[in-house]
Amino acid sequence: AQSVTQLGSHVSVSEGALVLLRCNYSSSVPPYLFWYVQYPNQGLQLLLKYTTGATLVKGINGFEAEFKKSETSFHLTKPSAHMSDAAEYFCAVSDHGYIPTFGRGTSLIVHP
Amino acid sequence: EAQVTQNPRYLITVTGKKLTVTCSQNMNHEYMSWYRQDPGLGLRQIYYSMNVEVTDKGDVPEGYKVSRKEKRNFPLILESPSPNQTSLYFCASRGMNTEAFFGQGTRLTVV
Repeated sequence: AQSVTQLGSHVSVSEGALVLLRCNYSSSVPPYLFWYVQYPNQGLQLLLKYTTGATLVKGINGFEAEFKKSETSFHLTKPSAHMSDAAEYFCAVSDHGYIPTFGRGTSLIVHP
Repeated sequence: EAQVTQNPRYLITVTGKKLTVTCSQNMNHEYMSWYRQDPGLGLRQIYYSMNVEVTDKGDVPEGYKVSRKEKRNFPLILESPSPNQTSLYFCASRGMNTEAFFGQGTRLTVV
């Protein structure tokens, strides 16, 4: 069985500050890991994914995430927040062949 | 263009009136799935399908049915909708080595 825990339903940062959204997972096999973003009234868009290889993954819009097997974590970061980053972010895990399981989501709020 | 198409985008219906939300993908993906999104609960999987004529229950299947007669289509059927099925619904598809692609969502209100 696979599951995802996102720590913090809301994260608030100032524009220009570091963004850190936390995600821990459990999986019975080496996982595929994903971060999706959802802007208001829209569907989910893939930010980045980890399958195999390099553990630091770069995605769109300046986001990146690091797969840490020992910590079963896949935290999402961005060095400098922008107002346009305000959205709902979902971490997801997949044991390869299946549709992913999602966390409950973290709402990112960016203050001017 | 690769896409997952859901219809309708918005639907208001009355309790007990059968409805179907359609989902179609043009990427020849084997896996398709339906999720519902509710505030504070994230996306919860309703049903999924690994290929034609192969479907299975997800985490919250009660009150829903699906079918997979063709690879591209995966409709979600509510035989007798109830107000607790008011939600935002997403269809997704995925190939063997791809991430999941999502439709734009269907906002359903059952009164």
